[in-house]
Amino acid sequence: DGGITQSPKYLFRKEGQNVTLSCEQNLNHDAMYWYRQDPGQGLRLIYYSQIVNDFQKGDIAEGYSVSREKKESFPLTVTSAQKNPTAFYLCASSFGTGAYEQYFGPGTRLTVT
Amino acid sequence: AQKVTQAQTEISVVEKEDVTLDCVYETRDTTYYLFWYKQPPSGELVFLIRRNSFDEQNEISGRYSWNFQKSTSSFNFTITASQVVDSAVYFCALTETSGSRLTFGEGTQLTVNP
Repeated sequence: DGGITQSPKYLFRKEGQNVTLSCEQNLNHDAMYWYRQDPGQGLRLIYYSQIVNDFQKGDIAEGYSVSREKKESFPLTVTSAQKNPTAFYLCASSFGTGAYEQYFGPGTRLTVT
Repeated sequence: AQKVTQAQTEISVVEKEDVTLDCVYETRDTTYYLFWYKQPPSGELVFLIRRNSFDEQNEISGRYSWNFQKSTSSFNFTITASQVVDSAVYFCALTETSGSRLTFGEGTQLTVNP
C-alpha cells in the first residue's frame, strides 16, 4: 500500500527535551512538508523540502529542525527552543511543488508538559 | 501575497440537507491552483479536488460539487443530501504555479446531525 506514515500517533515529552517526529512515504514523491495545526485553526507550514538534501523554512520554522537525507524520509525535530510545542503535526508529500496536490499522513499529536 | 478566507467557522445541518461551504481567495498571479481537503475526526487530511485558474467549469463528483468563479475570486463547495459521515473540517487552499507551497484557509467545521 502506498502512503505516508507518521509515528507515533501520540507523543508525550517533558519541557526542555528535544523530540523527533517521523515521516516516511513510499509514493516516490520528491516534495515533502511539515505542518502544525493548533486547535480550531488551519495548517501552518513549518518546513518543506523539494528534493533530497535540500529544505526551506516555512512560516513558523523557529524552534524546529529537519533533515532530508533520503527521498522517503523527512523527520522533524521539535527543539527545546520551541516555546509552545504542544500541537498536532502533519506531514505531507507531493510529486512536486506548485500545482501538485499534497497527500497527508495521519499526524502526530505532541503534548509537552 | 496569497490569502484564503473561509468565513464560516462552523456549520450545523440536519442529515439530507444541502450545504455550501464558502471559500474566497486573493492572489496576484493569473495562474494558480485551488484545492479542497477534508479532515475527519481521525485527523488525516483527505484530498478532494484541484482546480486550475483557467478552468471555470463547475465540477460534480457524486454528492459533491464545486463552483469556481474568477469574477468573485470564490471556489465554493456544495454537499448535496448531506450525511453524518460528511461531518469534518473542510479546508480550502491555494497555490500559485510559480510558488512552492499551499496557503490554507482556517477551515469550516461541518456537523451533520441525524
